Amino acid sequence: DAGITQSPRHKVTETGTPVTLRCHQTENHRYMYWYRQDPGHGLRLIHYSYGVKDTDKGEVSDGYSVSRSKTEDFLLTLESATSSQTSVYFCAISESVEGEQFFGPGTRLTVL
Amino acid sequence: SQQGEEDPQALSIQEGENATMNCSYKTSINNLQWYRQNSGRGLVHLILIRSNEREKHSGRLRVTLDTSKKSSSLLITASRAADTASYFCATDLALTFGSGTRLQVQP
Repeated sequence: DAGITQSPRHKVTETGTPVTLRCHQTENHRYMYWYRQDPGHGLRLIHYSYGVKDTDKGEVSDGYSVSRSKTEDFLLTLESATSSQTSVYFCAISESVEGEQFFGPGTRLTVL
Repeated sequence: SQQGEEDPQALSIQEGENATMNCSYKTSINNLQWYRQNSGRGLVHLILIRSNEREKHSGRLRVTLDTSKKSSSLLITASRAADTASYFCATDLALTFGSGTRLQVQP
């Protein structure tokens, strides 16, 4: 696997609590992405980053925020988690927006 | 809306048979990519085909692209039980994936 890790790998939390997921890469790739994967919906883009402090919204960005203060880290925050945000979250990286994406192992988040 | 949509949703074949999956998309592209996902894992890139290419091969994989029909197909020849996985297509710029084709190869 490419040098990309996600933490935590599993998390159970309660509705209304804040949650932060971390994606860390050692490849120095410019682009980083957060997706969520739900049965019947495939992967849907939440937010992506094209450089330090440069981010943009994806298809399903409501209820999520991101930050990228350095090249290697991309944080996804759920300010107030809801049950509809129960999902598997994948981080991905790429050298260019047109290029191959490398995926992390995923974080399974359960919001009770 | 999804930019890439795979068809069929599920496919079950016997080991040694060929498996064909299709992908349709909606807007112009520079390239189209196919990915594979084993259960519980992240996606792994298989092959990229550019808009000016019509066919591309990689081992037992053959990908075709028809930009006039906005469609692509992935052929896995001489399938193996280890090919059991979900397969996704994705187009550049749209950064979205379809729901995938779940391939089951029976030994």
